[in-house]
Amino acid sequence: GAVVSQHPSWVICKSGTSVKIECRSLDFQATTMFWYRQFPKQSLMLMATSNEGSKATYEQGVEKDKFLINHASLTLSTLTVTSAHPEDSSFYICSARARPSSQLAQYIYNEQFFGPGTRLTVL
Amino acid sequence: AQSVSQHNHHVILSEAASLELGCNYSYGGTVNLFWYVQYPGQHLQLLLKYFSGDPLVKGIKGFEAEFIKSKFSFNLRKPSVQWSDTAEYFCAVYGLGSGGGADGLTFGKGTHLIIQP
Repeated sequence: GAVVSQHPSWVICKSGTSVKIECRSLDFQATTMFWYRQFPKQSLMLMATSNEGSKATYEQGVEKDKFLINHASLTLSTLTVTSAHPEDSSFYICSARARPSSQLAQYIYNEQFFGPGTRLTVL
Repeated sequence: AQSVSQHNHHVILSEAASLELGCNYSYGGTVNLFWYVQYPGQHLQLLLKYFSGDPLVKGIKGFEAEFIKSKFSFNLRKPSVQWSDTAEYFCAVYGLGSGGGADGLTFGKGTHLIIQP
C-alpha cells in the first residue's frame, strides 16, 4: 500500500515552453502533497505544500507564478513549470501524506510517501 | 524551523565493515525522524522511521538507528555493509507543530556511501 506515482518519469522540452508533472496517490487519499526539487548530487529541497482544495504554500525563494501547483482531488496534484528555462532542469519529486482518519494512527498520518520523481531537462 | 545536519558527505568502506552515519537535527519540539536511501538512478526509499517509543528502531536491509533526544541525534548504523548498500542516504525530520502551511520534511544534505568489494 501507500504507492505514489509520477508522470512523466522524464521530459525534455524547449526553453520557453510549459511542462506539467502529475503526482498521484494510488491507494490512499492524500489531503496534503509536497513538491521537492533535487539538483544533481544534492539533497531534496521542499518547494511547496499542496493542500486539496486550497492554494499551495510555497517555500521562500520559490516563484509561485513559475511553479503552478494544483491539488484538484484527494489523489492528484500537478506541478506546472511555466516558461521553462535551462536552469529549471532538475529532478522533481512529490510526496503524499495520508488523509487523517480516526482509523489511522497518528504516525501513519505523519509519514510521507514519495513518488519516483520526474527528470526535467530544458534545452 | 527545523534543520538537519549530516556530517559525513562521502563515506568509503570495504564490504563487511561496520557503518555509522551521523545525523543531528535542530528543533525544540517533538520530532518524527526518517532515514531514506536513494540507490543510483532510483527514487527515495524509506529505510526506517522514528515516531515515538523505543528509541532504537530497526529498518529494512539490516539498518537500525538510535534516537538520542539529549543529543538531538538520529544516527544510522549497520553492523556489516554490503556492496549493494552503495547509495545516497538522507536523514529527514518533521517537527510536530512546526507546520503552518508548508510543513514538508526537512532533509539533510545526504551522505554518499561507497562500498568497495
